[in-house]
Amino acid sequence: SQQGEEDPQALSIQEGENATMNCSYKTSINNLQWYRQNSGRGLVHLILIRSNEREKHSGRLRVTLDTSKKSSSLLITASRAADTASYFCATRFGTSGSRLTFGEGTQLTVNP
Amino acid sequence: EAQVTQNPRYLITVTGKKLTVTCSQNMNHEYMSWYRQDPGLGLRQIYYSMNVEVTDKGDVPEGYKVSRKEKRNFPLILESPSPNQTSLYFCASSPPQSYNEQFFGPGTRLTVL
Repeated sequence: SQQGEEDPQALSIQEGENATMNCSYKTSINNLQWYRQNSGRGLVHLILIRSNEREKHSGRLRVTLDTSKKSSSLLITASRAADTASYFCATRFGTSGSRLTFGEGTQLTVNP
Repeated sequence: EAQVTQNPRYLITVTGKKLTVTCSQNMNHEYMSWYRQDPGLGLRQIYYSMNVEVTDKGDVPEGYKVSRKEKRNFPLILESPSPNQTSLYFCASSPPQSYNEQFFGPGTRLTVL
């Protein structure tokens, strides 16, 4: 089964609102990453948070990580119509950290 | 321009007809990987390669083969495609310093009739 699972599966908001997506995982991780995918395109890396970090920012993105709950959240502030995409969390685990497992994604729609 | 390229982008084929999807990166990345994306199942790793001549199975390797004879290329081979391999395939690569951020190709949409 998937290591990472996103919640909600779909989210629809108005432009200017904040969007929050959650990710839960099952085993201990080396790091957790968030990716974005526009319809029919390849994934683009957004942000990475290591297992010893609790919060990280990048522009309008804020990621938190709670290793005790095995969960992470991605917050997009002041959303724009161009943020409409699918968002995936991916966890890297294993002794060499070479395996990267993706969740099923959250489809975000930002209405103008 | 730094990029990961895949060919073909779209392919319709028939059951049992061998095919190869090529993947090439121009960033001198050591790590390369293949994923398939299916509705409701997210991305699942098929095979990955830590370096030339080093490959390993991911979560769903059955029915696929890979090779890594050169650092820049990582072809995905379907010896005898079946309809359940109809999917959207992505190749990705990572920088040599750490196996963290992955750069993805544009995807190959494969239909097996």
